[in-house]
Amino acid sequence: GAGVSQSPSNKVTEKGKDVELRCDPISGHTALYWYRQSLGQGLEFLIYFQGNSAPDKSGLPSDRFSAERTGGSVSTLTIQRTQQEDSAVYLCASSLWGDTEAFFGQGTRLTVV
Amino acid sequence: DAKTTQPTSMDCAEGRAANLPCNHSTISGNEYVYWYRQIHSQGPQYIIHGLKNNETNEMASLIITEDRKSSTLILPHATLRDTAVYYCIVRVGDNDMRFGAGTRLTVKP
Repeated sequence: GAGVSQSPSNKVTEKGKDVELRCDPISGHTALYWYRQSLGQGLEFLIYFQGNSAPDKSGLPSDRFSAERTGGSVSTLTIQRTQQEDSAVYLCASSLWGDTEAFFGQGTRLTVV
Repeated sequence: DAKTTQPTSMDCAEGRAANLPCNHSTISGNEYVYWYRQIHSQGPQYIIHGLKNNETNEMASLIITEDRKSSTLILPHATLRDTAVYYCIVRVGDNDMRFGAGTRLTVKP
């Protein structure tokens, strides 16, 4: 079966532009996570969706970052007015429930020039 | 506020057991211990998790101390493909999942 799919796999954008990153979780998974990983660094938690509950947005680094999850399935992470420090790999993961194993996508490599 | 402490790096000889420690002295009664690993340039991969009993699956074994303040992930016969960063995470079931710095395991021939 299909795993977690992220698109695009690579994105180069100019400083100041907005970008949208997409995550298609595994069908039926209620939990969805977004992380950011800068070069050589660990995973930085961004946001967590669980079912119909209000998302945990405590990891979003600034108000330029937002995410939504439509219909409990696909999620979009939006970065407005991108900055060079936003350059990183953005990883999405999903799990059947909040306490079961999470499956990660291959990530979107964002480069802001 | 890191909930776990892991060594920064470890080496292991190919074919030998790799024992990766994790300290979680502030773990609460309803928090599980999870292990993931990240092989270079890939997304993290789930390995195993447990609450208080030792667990084993096809990838690894998880040994949790009786007081639950620490645990050890055991890869019984490490191969070169096990070279990765290993993350130990503690979390309440239906809650966000935050990663620390992990342990960089290098399996050497």
